[in-house]
Amino acid sequence: DAKTTQPPSMDCAEGRAANLPCNHSTISGNEYVYWYRQIHSQGPQYIIHGLKNNETNEMASLIITEDRKSSTLILPHATLRDTAVYYCIVRPSNFGNEKLTFGTGTRLTIIP
Amino acid sequence: NAGVTQTPKFQVLKTGQSMTLQCAQDMNHEYMSWYRQDPGMGLRLIHYSVGAGITDQGEVPNGYNVSRSTTEDFPLRLLSAAPSQTSVYFCASSPRTGAYQPQHFGDGTRLSIL
Repeated sequence: DAKTTQPPSMDCAEGRAANLPCNHSTISGNEYVYWYRQIHSQGPQYIIHGLKNNETNEMASLIITEDRKSSTLILPHATLRDTAVYYCIVRPSNFGNEKLTFGTGTRLTIIP
Repeated sequence: NAGVTQTPKFQVLKTGQSMTLQCAQDMNHEYMSWYRQDPGMGLRLIHYSVGAGITDQGEVPNGYNVSRSTTEDFPLRLLSAAPSQTSVYFCASSPRTGAYQPQHFGDGTRLSIL
């Protein structure tokens, strides 16, 4: 699986958009980008995933650069409940979704 | 629909003791996995299963055993507890389909080995 690099921590004001970057310069053509988050030591929660097109769901948007070497997770209107550790994971989308490799992620703090 | 249920939530053991961490899911998911999370670290895969009767090792399997006799249950056994196994343990499940399906995680078991 491709390695990912994320900043260890970020702050964002409540109500503003939180933009979390992820570098994955060694990503392969068949590898997807997945985002999970972990709120206060609970089990991780799936947010979104994508291959090369931008994706949006009720929680967030995922912007993947054209060369696919980096991506940005966007929380459009951050709330205090979005304070969590966010993990960017890259791996093939096949039947291997029983195995995820988590790095140390980005600790996002939403400031009132 | 309870999702993924882990028991116990907290446990303290003495070095050398054995115990079983329980994980059950009621979503009829084929895939189940066990992870451990040490302080300040991401999750690391211990063992996983792609269906009843099938298990395989993850990144850090030493000192742990698993079995999968039913679709619903995936217990993790510590054979002889060591202080290095003090950690938070998470169980996860996901369905086997052609498209990506996210993993559903339990709330974790916090284990301390003295």
